Amino acid sequence: AQRVTQPEKLLSVFKGAPVELKCNYSYSGSPELFWYVQYSRQRLQLLLRHISRESIKGFTADLNKGETSFHLKKPFAQEEDSAMYYCALLYNFNKFYFGSGTKLNVKP
Amino acid sequence: DTGVSQNPRHKITKRGQNVTFRCDPISEHNRLYWYRQTLGQGPEFLTYFQNEAQLEKSRLLSDRFSAERPKGSFSTLEIQRTEQGDSAMYLCASSNLPSFNEQFFGPGTRLTVL
Repeated sequence: AQRVTQPEKLLSVFKGAPVELKCNYSYSGSPELFWYVQYSRQRLQLLLRHISRESIKGFTADLNKGETSFHLKKPFAQEEDSAMYYCALLYNFNKFYFGSGTKLNVKP
Repeated sequence: DTGVSQNPRHKITKRGQNVTFRCDPISEHNRLYWYRQTLGQGPEFLTYFQNEAQLEKSRLLSDRFSAERPKGSFSTLEIQRTEQGDSAMYLCASSNLPSFNEQFFGPGTRLTVL
C-alpha cells in the first residue's frame, strides 16, 4: 500500500541555519512526489514537484529511489519560511496521498 | 477569478443533521477533488471528478457521504446523519491541463458536529 511518512511534527531552526524536512514514501509503482506548503492563514499551495527539478524560494528536493525519500532542503532558512509543509505522493495517476505534515518554525 | 472558493467556511451542526458544502473551482478546471483533513493529519483523499463524472471514491467514504458535480462546474459534498467523527476540515481542489497534478486548493470548510 502507498504511504508517505513525515517523521517530524515540528522542526525549529534559527534564521540562516540549514533546513531539511524529511519525507519517506512507500509505493510499488513509479513515484511522483510533491511538496505542498501552507503559510499561516493561507490555503495549501504547491511548492515544488520532483519532475520539475526546480528550486522554489531556495528550496530543493531530490527523489532518492534507493532510500525511498524526497527530503526538502534549504541551505539558509528565513523567517518567512515558517509554515506547515506536506509531502505528497501521486498514485494511480490521479490520486494524492499526503503525509501528516511538518511544522517549520524559523526563529529570529 | 480569485481561485477556488468554498462555502460555508464554517459549519456547526448537531449530530444526526445533514450538511452540504459547496466548492467552486477555478473556471474551466475540469478536475475537482475533495479531501478531509483532521487535526495533526494531512489531507485525505475522498473523491474526484473529471468534468461531471465522479471517477473515484475513497473506500473511507461511507454511504452517508455523497458528492455531485452536475454541470461540470461547481460541486457539492453532502453528509447525511452527521456523526461527531465527521468533524474535520473539508478541502476542495481543482486542476487542469497541461498539468492535472498541480492542484489549487480552496480555503476549506470547517465542520464541527456537536
